[in-house]
Amino acid sequence: EPEVTQTPSHQVTQMGQEVILRCVPISNHLYFYWYRQILGQKVEFLVSFYNNEISEKSEIFDDQFSVERPDGSNFTLKIRSTKLEDSAMYFCASSGDRRTDTQYFGPGTRLTVL
Amino acid sequence: GIQVEQSPPDLILQEGANSTLRCNFSDSVNNLQWFHQNPWGQLINLFYIPSGTKQNGRLSATTVATERYSLLYISSSQTTDSGVYFCAALRDSNYQLIWGAGTKLIIKP
Repeated sequence: EPEVTQTPSHQVTQMGQEVILRCVPISNHLYFYWYRQILGQKVEFLVSFYNNEISEKSEIFDDQFSVERPDGSNFTLKIRSTKLEDSAMYFCASSGDRRTDTQYFGPGTRLTVL
Repeated sequence: GIQVEQSPPDLILQEGANSTLRCNFSDSVNNLQWFHQNPWGQLINLFYIPSGTKQNGRLSATTVATERYSLLYISSSQTTDSGVYFCAALRDSNYQLIWGAGTKLIIKP
């Protein structure tokens, strides 16, 4: 069964450093998403991406964040200058249809900002 | 926007017991999903169930869209069922999944 993959599984970084989280969505999917979960809290939507541009973004997704699909397979989330409060689990998801299809989630990247 | 509420917040059961987890949502939805978050933090897709009933082994789910709730049933619980169970509903206006706070399930041997 096809699945969404994410790398790395765990990233530790110093405050102020840039990080890039990588995702490989399911190959025939068209819609891509990033969510995050601060430890012990709800999962929160960050951004959705379709046709090489952002479709929707939440208030959390400020100028420190950016997304990119640099080639036909990868989907990346960049945090330009990490803050302590960016420590969280980051999940990538993809779907074939944004309205009626399951969103399939990757295993997540645990980001720790020191 | 959609509000998603889950109950109970915590549930402790003995191995072999059955359980019912509930998800209420405040508006009509096109998409409702159930997930299991394992102790390593991974989200496992359980069901995509905007309406009706589905079964997968010991797990089944029912969504009554007109009454705005969904139920997840776990029968003959095993210790590996432990973890947090989330439901998430798709906000129609912008296609974001809105998540409940989860039910933390502990199955004791």
